[in-house]
Amino acid sequence: DAGVTQSPTHLIKTRGQQVTLRCSPKSGHDTVSWYQQALGQGPQFIFQYYEEEERQRGNFPDRFSGHQFPNYSSELNVNALLLGDSALYLCASSLGRNQPQHFGDGTRLSIL
Amino acid sequence: QQQVKQSPQSLIVQKGGISIINCAYENTAFDYFPWYQQFPGKGPALLIAIRPDVSEKKEGRFTISFNKSAKQFSLHIMDSQPGDSATYFCAARNSGTYKYIFGTGTRLKVLA
Repeated sequence: DAGVTQSPTHLIKTRGQQVTLRCSPKSGHDTVSWYQQALGQGPQFIFQYYEEEERQRGNFPDRFSGHQFPNYSSELNVNALLLGDSALYLCASSLGRNQPQHFGDGTRLSIL
Repeated sequence: QQQVKQSPQSLIVQKGGISIINCAYENTAFDYFPWYQQFPGKGPALLIAIRPDVSEKKEGRFTISFNKSAKQFSLHIMDSQPGDSATYFCAARNSGTYKYIFGTGTRLKVLA
């Protein structure tokens, strides 16, 4: 039973570029949430997708956008990258919005 | 009101000892309180969770104690082992929005 898988595992970009991160939820899970984890900090909620719609959003600018596909996989897009966007980006999935979340191992994004 | 305050920031325990990590919250809309364990280079793994209608939950060596009136909850790791050395995060979920708020983490080191 595959858990939450994220790709790529590492990514290096320069300021101003755009990036797309991908997430495949755990088998049977239909809800995907994205988090940003800065070094030495707890995960910060970016947004949640359910039934292909963004249901909740944290305090992140519109440069952060996402999408959920019919197979429940999801993408996180970040435009106009800033140095401060360097972080570990985590995807978590659950069966429904009210069930426990399970995390992937994240994508480490470095901005030069 | 959206914060979850976690302490201590770091903890060193002898093998076989008890590790205790504390969290406090203000928002009474939180309805689910999970603890996550994170190893370097990995995503957070769900360890144990509790709902506010229960005062204690035990799973193996891990116990959550919950004090609803004080708005505090804690993780106890009994018979701590070197393999428990990791960063632990408490979290709280808002019952209306399903958003998770994470604590800042506790880095636990268990000495052999």
